[in-house]
Amino acid sequence: EAGVAQSPRYKIIEKRQSVAFWCNPISGHATLYWYQQILGQGPKLLIQFQNNGVVDDSQLPKDRFSAERLKGVDSTLKIQPAKLEDSAVYLCASSLAKPRGETQYFGPGTRLLVL
Amino acid sequence: QKEVEQNSGPLSVPEGAIASLNCTYSDRGSQSFFWYRQYSGKSPELIMFIYSNGDKEDGRFTAQLNKASQYVSLLIRDSQPSDSATYLCAVNTGGGNKLTFGTGTQLKVEL
Repeated sequence: EAGVAQSPRYKIIEKRQSVAFWCNPISGHATLYWYQQILGQGPKLLIQFQNNGVVDDSQLPKDRFSAERLKGVDSTLKIQPAKLEDSAVYLCASSLAKPRGETQYFGPGTRLLVL
Repeated sequence: QKEVEQNSGPLSVPEGAIASLNCTYSDRGSQSFFWYRQYSGKSPELIMFIYSNGDKEDGRFTAQLNKASQYVSLLIRDSQPSDSATYLCAVNTGGGNKLTFGTGTQLKVEL
């Protein structure tokens, strides 16, 4: 079974530029998550989708971050404009759509450096 | 108060010893608890999950949950150098399968 796919793996941009990340979840996983992991910290949930609907985006900085999952499968996360503090690993995860404690599987992540 | 707290370490244990990793959480309504392992430069991978009070064993790993004390732990028996990694505790908070992670404990298994 193929795992969660993400691209690109690495990205270097200058502040105020825009960037987009792509994620394809495990086949059949209705729930998709984007996390931000800053060096030395645990992953922080940015947004959670159930199919193509948003379940939780309470920690998404909506003035600069946006995400979509139009067909309920793959997803994109965009940052515009980027700030220095956005330098982090952006992890995508997916899980089955069960109501409690369903295991989340992570992709390899996209490492973003904002200069 | 942080929602999920872990000692950042590093925790150093000799090869073959038992490593004990601890985690406390603040939300009494939390129902599901997960341990992930993260090697440097890699993404988190699931080791174990536990829902009920008590112990759950899987090979060299044992997860322990005490909901009254809001405490979850991971024991690694016969620690190997390949176990050297950061261990993340994650708690299902607020329903809807949202996970809140601790900052992780770095484990070093020394030869």
